[in-house]
Amino acid sequence: DGGITQSPKYLFRKEGQNVTLSCEQNLNHDAMYWYRQDPGQGLRLIYYSQIVNDFQKGDIAEGYSVSREKKESFPLTVTSAQKNPTAFYLCASSKGWESAFMNTEAFFGQGTRLTVV
Amino acid sequence: SQQGEEDPQALSIQEGENATMNCSYKTSINNLQWYRQNSGRGLVHLILIRSNEREKHSGRLRVTLDTSKKSSSLLITASRAADTASYFCATVPYNTDKLIFGTGTRLQVFP
Repeated sequence: DGGITQSPKYLFRKEGQNVTLSCEQNLNHDAMYWYRQDPGQGLRLIYYSQIVNDFQKGDIAEGYSVSREKKESFPLTVTSAQKNPTAFYLCASSKGWESAFMNTEAFFGQGTRLTVV
Repeated sequence: SQQGEEDPQALSIQEGENATMNCSYKTSINNLQWYRQNSGRGLVHLILIRSNEREKHSGRLRVTLDTSKKSSSLLITASRAADTASYFCATVPYNTDKLIFGTGTRLQVFP
């Protein structure tokens, strides 16, 4: 089945530790995104990538890092510099630019719930 | 910063009634999209409307877009209990490749 997979579903982190959240897609999509969602809130963009080996900061990139070494994979590392990392993290992918506009939908994974203990 | 803000933040209705949610955004856009999120899950795409379109339909969904007012509305007709979820608008600001989400509307449909 084609889709986008996030793992793990639940993740616990001790203060001061870095953790990496996995996001893999087999939809042959060029664009991938990471969002953070706090309880009862909307989604805030952390990082996004339109092509392999290139990525851009979103609105809340501080304390996070990403890589895009393969088209299928866009892992997110939550570093110890992120002061309040407890949140629900969502990964998405889309076809990216088509003609002059990005008129394509995004597909989401089921999310990773990160808790700092 | 979030591009879109939904109104109302929460909406409770009875089955069979219509539900209307509004989205306002700040900058010119390429397109506007609506997504649905069941509690604790990922988002599912509902409908996309391009900046040169004014209205679009998909099943029980009707979306309008007014670029002069920088606003959009999502109408769900004849709502069902299964429509209970959070609904988000998302925009691609003009000349960017970001997908920016609004704050969401929590819809509760009572049987």
